[in-house]
Amino acid sequence: KNEVEQSPQNLTAQEGEFITINCSYSVGISALHWLQQHPGGGIVSLFMLSSGKKKHGRLIATINIQEKHSSLHITASHPRDSAVYICAVTYGGATNKLIFGTGTLLAVQP
Amino acid sequence: DVKVTQSSRYLVKRTGEKVFLECVQDMDHENMFWYRQDPGLGLRLIYFSYDVKMKEKGDIPEGYSVSREKKERFSLILESASTNQTSMYLCASSPNRWGSSYEQYFGPGTRLTVT
Repeated sequence: KNEVEQSPQNLTAQEGEFITINCSYSVGISALHWLQQHPGGGIVSLFMLSSGKKKHGRLIATINIQEKHSSLHITASHPRDSAVYICAVTYGGATNKLIFGTGTLLAVQP
Repeated sequence: DVKVTQSSRYLVKRTGEKVFLECVQDMDHENMFWYRQDPGLGLRLIYFSYDVKMKEKGDIPEGYSVSREKKERFSLILESASTNQTSMYLCASSPNRWGSSYEQYFGPGTRLTVT
């Protein structure tokens, strides 16, 4: 069993839809990260959170520490949101080592 | 602006060749990481360095070695490339401070093909 699991693995949405990607983890963590990777591109950090909720533009990330679960929401989705979204957790103390989920491939169709 | 650069975006090498992948960061970060990314497997840690000349094995170090002679530069070495090392290789860096978590900053990746 993977220590970080994401669902769904693949997601197709129509432009304008509300999207949710889920992440569950089984280890003790100091922070949870949501990352974005466009096709052929590098990885950028969207959020790092250890409690509650963060919002940036149309993106919202929440975490429930007791349930070891996080969600990434995209409101009013747009084709430019099409990318792989990766959940990762920090577990290594000062080393900031990450354990990654396998990613969710999102395609937003116009 | 934060920057992690990698020496090549695409690389094609022959089986048995020695391969060097270079990563440079300009943020004065203590931690540097090498990952490989494969479909269905996600990112896996190959090696990690938390200071100059210091290194730790990650989850999949077999067939790889690393070098960190300067703080800003972290090199991944494939001693004798094999076809199962065909992959996307990503470098990342982050600060190192006890009691705090930090984002990792990723380079653009090197797609290595071994034929």
